[in-house]
Amino acid sequence: DGGITQSPKYLFRKEGQNVTLSCEQNLNHDAMYWYRQDPGQGLRLIYYSQIVNDFQKGDIAEGYSVSREKKESFPLTVTSAQKNPTAFYLCASSVLSRVFGNTIYFGEGSWLTVV
Amino acid sequence: AQKVTQAQTEISVVEKEDVTLDCVYETRDTTYYLFWYKQPPSGELVFLIRRNSFDEQNEISGRYSWNFQKSTSSFNFTITASQVVDSAVYFCALSGSTQGGSEKLVFGKGTKLTVNP
Repeated sequence: DGGITQSPKYLFRKEGQNVTLSCEQNLNHDAMYWYRQDPGQGLRLIYYSQIVNDFQKGDIAEGYSVSREKKESFPLTVTSAQKNPTAFYLCASSVLSRVFGNTIYFGEGSWLTVV
Repeated sequence: AQKVTQAQTEISVVEKEDVTLDCVYETRDTTYYLFWYKQPPSGELVFLIRRNSFDEQNEISGRYSWNFQKSTSSFNFTITASQVVDSAVYFCALSGSTQGGSEKLVFGKGTKLTVNP
């Protein structure tokens, strides 16, 4: 089935550790995104990538890093520099439509908790 | 700057009631796109609808309908005869003109809808 797969679903991190969240899509979408969601809040953009080997910072990129070595993969690393990493992380991808702009489709999300 | 406001933080209704979720947006773009997403308790965001700025036709899909009014910068979502399965957080989102590349979505803070049996 086509879709966006995130793993792991739940992840616990000790303070000072880096962790990487995986995101894979088989929709052949060019663009991929990482959003962060805090309880009772909307989504905030961390990083996005339009093409392989290129990515741009979103609104809250500090303490995060990404790579885009393959079209289908866009992993997110939460570094120890991120002071408040406990949140729900959503990966997304999009196709570009001249009529409808970029319709973004989301994965199932990953819960990250700092212990 | 682009902004989306969902003034209703939480709404609670009884099954079979109609409910309208409000969305007001701000943008300076002449071409823009509006979206609604549903987030059930499982967490995944489910795409519901998209609308571009030059298409003000309202849309109906089953029990769902959307009312887009540029004059009031609103894109409201109505669920008719609500059901318990409609319980979720609903997000309205906005993206600007596409200029040869991806444009990021700006989300409202969401409205949590609870439909009680």
